[in-house]
Amino acid sequence: AQKVTQAQTEISVVEKEDVTLDCVYETRDTTYYLFWYKQPPSGELVFLIRRNSFDEQNEISGRYSWNFQKSTSSFNFTITASQVVDSAVYFCALIGGNEKLTFGTGTRLTIIP
Amino acid sequence: DAGVIQSPRHEVTEMGQEVTLRCKPISGHDYLFWYRQTMMRGLELLIYFNNNVPIDDSGMPEDRFSAKMPNASFSTLKIQPSEPRDSAVYFCASSPSSRGLIFPPYEQYFGPGTRLTVT
Repeated sequence: AQKVTQAQTEISVVEKEDVTLDCVYETRDTTYYLFWYKQPPSGELVFLIRRNSFDEQNEISGRYSWNFQKSTSSFNFTITASQVVDSAVYFCALIGGNEKLTFGTGTRLTIIP
Repeated sequence: DAGVIQSPRHEVTEMGQEVTLRCKPISGHDYLFWYRQTMMRGLELLIYFNNNVPIDDSGMPEDRFSAKMPNASFSTLKIQPSEPRDSAVYFCASSPSSRGLIFPPYEQYFGPGTRLTVT
């Protein structure tokens, strides 16, 4: 069975601070894919990044960066110099051999101006 | 390019009524998914299709729920009869084909959702 755990239910930081959202996953598959999605207050789910299990390179995209560590089954997401527009619920998700996306429970991030 | 389109965006109905939610996936995507989001249960996969064929409907909560995909550009999720506990946001998502790829795309693109309220 697949499982994604986002232990941080809610996080609040002051604008311009850095913040890291944690994601820990469980799967028996050797080939799998990890994702982050953003759900802003408007409600839609926005795809942010995909990583496959063979690629542990960290990735940076502007103020966003992702740290994938198979040794700890973690796929953490860091926002540098946070902005009010980053306020949203962020979901980590996993697909393994069954092709079904398993979501974590989400972390609600609030950026305080 | 147009994203996933869902209609209606909001639906309020009375218990016992039939509800039909509609989805148009991104053109060229082979996979279509229906999800339900509630505060209590989070995001749940209800059913998904590949090339218009239902692959897994194990997430459909009851026989009151049914989904169809008559062609590559249209799908419906129907609830009959509706109950107050069906109140949720229903998302449709589509995904590119994985055929022939060692590392399939698999990322799913979501529609804006339909907020269903059953009174």
